[in-house]
Amino acid sequence: GDSVTQMEGPVTLSEEAFLTINCTYTATGYPSLFWYVQYPGEGLQLLLKATKADDKGSNKGFEATYRKETTSFHLEKGSVQVSDSAVYFCALSELEYGNKLVFGAGTILRVKS
Amino acid sequence: EPEVTQTPSHQVTQMGQEVILRCVPISNHLYFYWYRQILGQKVEFLVSFYNNEISEKSEIFDDQFSVERPDGSNFTLKIRSTKLEDSAMYFCASREGRDTEAFFGQGTRLTVV
Repeated sequence: GDSVTQMEGPVTLSEEAFLTINCTYTATGYPSLFWYVQYPGEGLQLLLKATKADDKGSNKGFEATYRKETTSFHLEKGSVQVSDSAVYFCALSELEYGNKLVFGAGTILRVKS
Repeated sequence: EPEVTQTPSHQVTQMGQEVILRCVPISNHLYFYWYRQILGQKVEFLVSFYNNEISEKSEIFDDQFSVERPDGSNFTLKIRSTKLEDSAMYFCASREGRDTEAFFGQGTRLTVV
């Protein structure tokens, strides 16, 4: 079945450092790919998405590119802020399979000032 | 901004007791979901619901679980006889259309003692 693997955390960075959180996937067909973020005490929020190969999703300075050849969707940000501290989840869904979301384990990001 | 709300935020229950987790999806949404996250593990799909019936369920969603949309606004998850291993964070989500963004609630932390 479909699955998502993302790097384990926690990831601890200083403010203004470069962030990469790796995500790879296994899917039957042609999934859409997502990054969700969970801030402390809040629900899951969609951060960005990409629906086909070579698409780049971006939001709030975060970017991820759908790489079909490497089945990856790595999350990057050039300069993190303390307010980016949260748990980040990579996920996929396939419309042909009910469009339910399949999540990775989540990566805790801690940004220190 | 419309949001998915879940109550309670934390529920403690004794093993063998029935619990009902409540969700109010966004009002014009048609597709509803429950996910759960056992501490330290992945967010897992439980069930999807559309047009007043279950459209898909995972193998986790056994006979102890049921869902209902009793009044056109609430969407509930019932666990008939809780087990210790049901302790988890339960997330409700809704979407307007089959391929639109899923919006999540803040989650209900269920602790079975």
